[in-house]
Amino acid sequence: DSGVTQTPKHLITATGQRVTLRCSPRSGDLSVYWYQQSLDQGLQFLIQYYNGEERAKGNILERFSAQQFPDLHSELNLSSLELGDSALYFCASTQGMSDSPLHFGNGTRLTVT
Amino acid sequence: AQSVTQLGSHVSVSEGALVLLRCNYSSSVPPYLFWYVQYPNQGLQLLLKYTTGATLVKGINGFEAEFKKSETSFHLTKPSAHMSDAAEYFCAVMIYNQGGKLIFGQGTELSVKP
Repeated sequence: DSGVTQTPKHLITATGQRVTLRCSPRSGDLSVYWYQQSLDQGLQFLIQYYNGEERAKGNILERFSAQQFPDLHSELNLSSLELGDSALYFCASTQGMSDSPLHFGNGTRLTVT
Repeated sequence: AQSVTQLGSHVSVSEGALVLLRCNYSSSVPPYLFWYVQYPNQGLQLLLKYTTGATLVKGINGFEAEFKKSETSFHLTKPSAHMSDAAEYFCAVMIYNQGGKLIFGQGTELSVKP
């Protein structure tokens, strides 16, 4: 058990809809990362937060947004969903030191129909 | 720009044989390098990491990797494969001067035959 909790585990929704994915980091970790994993794109870095502030941004679409709250949990919001957004979305957390390994949750599997 | 290339999307070995998973990186600054393993329906788990110091790094489950700056490589090895090693393996480079962004390779699926 990594200590990182992601909810829900599975999500099935229709095109055009909006969903929210939630992540609770490991106790003591200040930094949260979001990744998208799909068969054709592999593991794509979306965005990173550190203690509530956005730290780094990857290939995150404008339809997607995220935030990290004062209690350090994070939410990833996906809107105007398309079929191609179907993927496994991972959250990972770390203490925030540059060489600290990431601890991954088990992911949320999003299916857009 | 920093990047990671894993050679071979699928590797198959026999139980007891040597495991060699290849990873090459590109980085304009000294890299921090990681290997992660992903079992079916699970998140990624850290196998080992290289930051500074000794270039041969030992990880969990008998895996090790050697950082070779001259070859820009960080190949993962295990002397004797076990059936439980079957999983997907990801090499990653951390861009620590960009807030710690971790960039992953495409992954290598390891199959172990009895």
